[in-house]
Amino acid sequence: GENVEQHPSTLSVQEGDSAVIKCTYSDSASNYFPWYKQELGKRPQLIIDIRSNVGEKKDQRIAVTLNKTAKHFSLHITETQPEDSAVYFCAASKGYGGSQGNLIFGKGTKLSVKP
Amino acid sequence: DADVTQTPRNRITKTGKRIMLECSQTKGHDRMYWYRQDPGLGLRLIYYSFDVKDINKGEISDGYSVSRQAQAKFSLSLESAIPNQTALYFCATSESGTGLDGYTFGSGTRLTVV
Repeated sequence: GENVEQHPSTLSVQEGDSAVIKCTYSDSASNYFPWYKQELGKRPQLIIDIRSNVGEKKDQRIAVTLNKTAKHFSLHITETQPEDSAVYFCAASKGYGGSQGNLIFGKGTKLSVKP
Repeated sequence: DADVTQTPRNRITKTGKRIMLECSQTKGHDRMYWYRQDPGLGLRLIYYSFDVKDINKGEISDGYSVSRQAQAKFSLSLESAIPNQTALYFCATSESGTGLDGYTFGSGTRLTVV
């Protein structure tokens, strides 16, 4: 079955710097890749997603890139702010019906943004 | 606003006790999930349901059972709680069967088994 590896597990950056979190997936049939942000004590929330027919997607300071050949996708946060501090999860699914539509999550990256 | 609600938010229970965690949603989604979150292990799928008559095991279903009482309600039971079931539990929903949309998570239940 699908396996999603996420790196790094922890990341510390200075406010204003960029942060990059990388994920690799094993099943080339996966075609939907969301990213979730979980602030301390709160629920994971979808922040951005990308489908396999798109190579890059941006939303203000966050962007996601996808390399289908290498089977990896990355989250980029520019001009980081203290409120970006959270745990970030990547996920992948095949986008079909049934259980193949279930998301498989990476283990998470704890991002700390130092003022 | 349509949402996913979990009860209780926090629970401490003793080893061997039966406990039920409840999830209800007003989003009108057919697909519902139960995940367990442990530090460093991410979100692991316990059970999932595509509709009232469809229940499926996830990767870590041992020691757990579920009930889909209605489209909007999905309950997780620990028949005989043990300390290594101490974790943060999340219910989630998704809209379609295509797998091309994200999940909406509930606010979580922090369970401690002593």
